[in-house]
Amino acid sequence: DAKTTQPNSMESNEEEPVHLPCNHSTISGTDYIHWYRQLPSQGPEYVIHGLTSNVNNRMASLAIAEDRKSSTLILHRATLRDAAVYYCILSTGNQFYFGTGTSLTVIP
Amino acid sequence: KAGVTQTPRYLIKTRGQQVTLSCSPISGHRSVSWYQQTPGQGLQFLFEYFSETQRNKGNFPGRFSGRQFSNSRSEMNVSTLELGDSALYLCASSFYEGSYNEQFFGPGTRLTVL
Repeated sequence: DAKTTQPNSMESNEEEPVHLPCNHSTISGTDYIHWYRQLPSQGPEYVIHGLTSNVNNRMASLAIAEDRKSSTLILHRATLRDAAVYYCILSTGNQFYFGTGTSLTVIP
Repeated sequence: KAGVTQTPRYLIKTRGQQVTLSCSPISGHRSVSWYQQTPGQGLQFLFEYFSETQRNKGNFPGRFSGRQFSNSRSEMNVSTLELGDSALYLCASSFYEGSYNEQFFGPGTRLTVL
């Protein structure tokens, strides 16, 4: 099974950039890399996804290593509403393989 | 556009009983996936349905089953409930099949087995 490894928790000051790392050394050539976040008492929410190239959207940026064995989710300016558990996910075929997630605390 | 809805939101059952959970996807979405979330195992994929056909199944026992109707609504059934089945069950929908598409999650059904 595709696996991801993330730090259990991270802290960031409000309005500063946050870099959330993820290792996926067993990734295969057709696996997509996804990031979702989950706020308390809610289902996960899509953040961003990519295959090989770096990706940007209005929420975040995704930086993918050249060998694709790691990736970094970048929140450009953390706000209090960004406090959540962030999941790095590999998708193989029709399945999502969730990591254990990183709990992000944003300090005012 | 209404989001993914799941009913019921909370459920309490006893060991040995069976339970059916319901998921209504976003209008126009034809793919529905189910996940189990527990503190110990995290989020685990159960199965995906697309156009009333099960496309993929995770590593769960046969007590876990599902189906999808012609209007894309989906149900998940767990028979002979065990204490370890206590979890948050999440449903997600997407327009296309395949996990490379953005999935929209519902709020989940919290199942407690006593």
